[in-house]
Amino acid sequence: DQQVKQNSPSLSVQEGRISILNCDYTNSMFDYFLWYKKYPAEGPTFLISISSIKDKNEDGRFTVFLNKSAKHLSLHIVPSQPGDSAVYFCAAMGGSEKLVFGKGTKLTVNP
Amino acid sequence: DVKVTQSSRYLVKRTGEKVFLECVQDMDHENMFWYRQDPGLGLRLIYFSYDVKMKEKGDIPEGYSVSREKKERFSLILESASTNQTSMYLCASWGRRGEQYFGPGTRLTVT
Repeated sequence: DQQVKQNSPSLSVQEGRISILNCDYTNSMFDYFLWYKKYPAEGPTFLISISSIKDKNEDGRFTVFLNKSAKHLSLHIVPSQPGDSAVYFCAAMGGSEKLVFGKGTKLTVNP
Repeated sequence: DVKVTQSSRYLVKRTGEKVFLECVQDMDHENMFWYRQDPGLGLRLIYFSYDVKMKEKGDIPEGYSVSREKKERFSLILESASTNQTSMYLCASWGRRGEQYFGPGTRLTVT
């Protein structure tokens, strides 16, 4: 049973436009959510996180929104840059020290 | 600067061989993790360790074991490698809550 779902395997946007990556979760015990970015042949790197007590967290061009009632979070990248092209993983945790990852969304930002 | 290193970037082994993958972190973190990443499946947790000599099974522990004799080192062992264990293996250690630092990964091919 997949507890963290990223339903879009891929996303393509133009440079300068907004990228929106979506993530849904099913486990009500999750109380902390993170986004990781992964380039080919490298390990994932932490990007941004949000606690369930907040509905928004912003860090430069990256903003994560959390809608607890819908069990949905999204990552907004504005403006998108070609260097943002990577696979983005949504992850969640709660009640343990384990992260549960989604399957990832491959973002391509076209110049 | 934070560093997680893995013993090999690429490894080719034969079916039935015993395989050791080593991971070292220099951040004095207590928690360490082993994942495998496969196309379309995201990151799946194999094992994790929250202290020296302590370990817990993740979501897919079958066919694997781990060893943590020292705080900085966490080893993944494939007792008898099989072709379905061909994958990218990623080690991580725990920073602030949820913020895992990943190594560069080991691409293992079992023939």
